[in-house]
Amino acid sequence: SQTIHQWPATLVQPVGSPLSLECTVEGTSNPNLYWYRQAAGRGLQLLFYSIGIGQISSEVPQNLSASRPQDRQFILSSKKLLLSDSGFYLCAWDRVPNYGYTFGSGTRLTVV
Amino acid sequence: GNSVTQMEGPVTLSEEAFLTINCTYTATGYPSLFWYVQYPGEGLQLLLKATKADDKGSNKGFEATYRKETTSFHLEKGSVQVSDSAVYFCALSRSGGGADGLTFGKGTHLIIQP
Repeated sequence: SQTIHQWPATLVQPVGSPLSLECTVEGTSNPNLYWYRQAAGRGLQLLFYSIGIGQISSEVPQNLSASRPQDRQFILSSKKLLLSDSGFYLCAWDRVPNYGYTFGSGTRLTVV
Repeated sequence: GNSVTQMEGPVTLSEEAFLTINCTYTATGYPSLFWYVQYPGEGLQLLLKATKADDKGSNKGFEATYRKETTSFHLEKGSVQVSDSAVYFCALSRSGGGADGLTFGKGTHLIIQP
């Protein structure tokens, strides 16, 4: 069966520090991968999606970047965190586009 | 562009009450529609979906019907339980396919009291 892992579960980082969140999928190949951010009272915002290794599409220009170095690995990064980067970050995958995602358990990021 | 509108709540009900969470959407083409549920501290889980007009999605006693004429996908359950307390998200796919993500509503916080 397919599983998706996200880590860390929680993270507290100072303003200006770097960020690296990792997401991996097991039990499938060539998944579509997504990063979402959930800010309080603002629902979910699509940040990045990827249909293959090295292929990244950005939805919202901001302080973050994404990479896909391997087929089932998706990384969210920042060189210098801002207070506004705080939120709940969710990774998701699917095989058939738009037929329903499987989400990871999320990372709660607090920038202080 | 595409958008999803749903009541934000919190919606507070007593156990065994009837539940309706409204969801309306704006989209071009023929999107697929979804309901996701998020329990405290967890990621989102797909609850049900419908891929074309008049389809009814159902799961765990919840159901929703894709109404193209009213651009709605309201979530219903006949008798809610305390364990149904969660945040519920309505979402749609972008028409034309492609791996470019879903559009989510802001979520409805549901609280069921015993």
